Amino acid sequence: AQKVTQAQTEISVVEKEDVTLDCVYETRDTTYYLFWYKQPPSGELVFLIRRNSFDEQNEISGRYSWNFQKSTSSFNFTITASQVVDSAVYFCALSGAIQGAQKLVFGQGTRLTINP
Amino acid sequence: GAVVSQHPSWVICKSGTSVKIECRSLDFQATTMFWYRQFPKQSLMLMATSNEGSKATYEQGVEKDKFLINHASLTLSTLTVTSAHPEDSSFYICSAKIAGSTDTQYFGPGTRLTVL
Repeated sequence: AQKVTQAQTEISVVEKEDVTLDCVYETRDTTYYLFWYKQPPSGELVFLIRRNSFDEQNEISGRYSWNFQKSTSSFNFTITASQVVDSAVYFCALSGAIQGAQKLVFGQGTRLTINP
Repeated sequence: GAVVSQHPSWVICKSGTSVKIECRSLDFQATTMFWYRQFPKQSLMLMATSNEGSKATYEQGVEKDKFLINHASLTLSTLTVTSAHPEDSSFYICSAKIAGSTDTQYFGPGTRLTVL
């Protein structure tokens, strides 16, 4: 069975601080995808990143960076110099990569509040 | 690219009536669409997988006669909540995968259903 755990239910920081959102996953698949989605107060899920299990390179996109550690089954997300607009609920998710096994399994989400 | 729309964005109905929610992929064809339900401050729960031209696959515990899903074209899937009751009040979100793709799901903006 697949499982995603986001242990941090809520995080609150002051603007310009760096913040890391943790994600730990469980799967028996050898090939899988990991995702991060952002859900602002409007409700729409915004796709942030997809990582293939074969690609352990870390990725940076502007103020966002992701650290994929297969050895610890973690896919953590860091926001550098946080801004108020980053306030949202962030979901980590996992899916199989084989046709027919592509259901997304979501973590419980981390509510991030950036205070001015 | 990869834009998914939902209509309506919110709906209020009386108990016992049926409500139809539309999910459209605007700039791509989607052979597979997914329907999720989200309760306040909770994660997304997959309800069913909708495949174009075939019957939807429902998750365990989801009543297929209550939540009717139709995926009549490569750009449209509909979810009908039949004989709605107050406990059906929730945020319903659809997602779609690009035809031929095995990875990223793109999400619609969601529909907030309130049953009085």
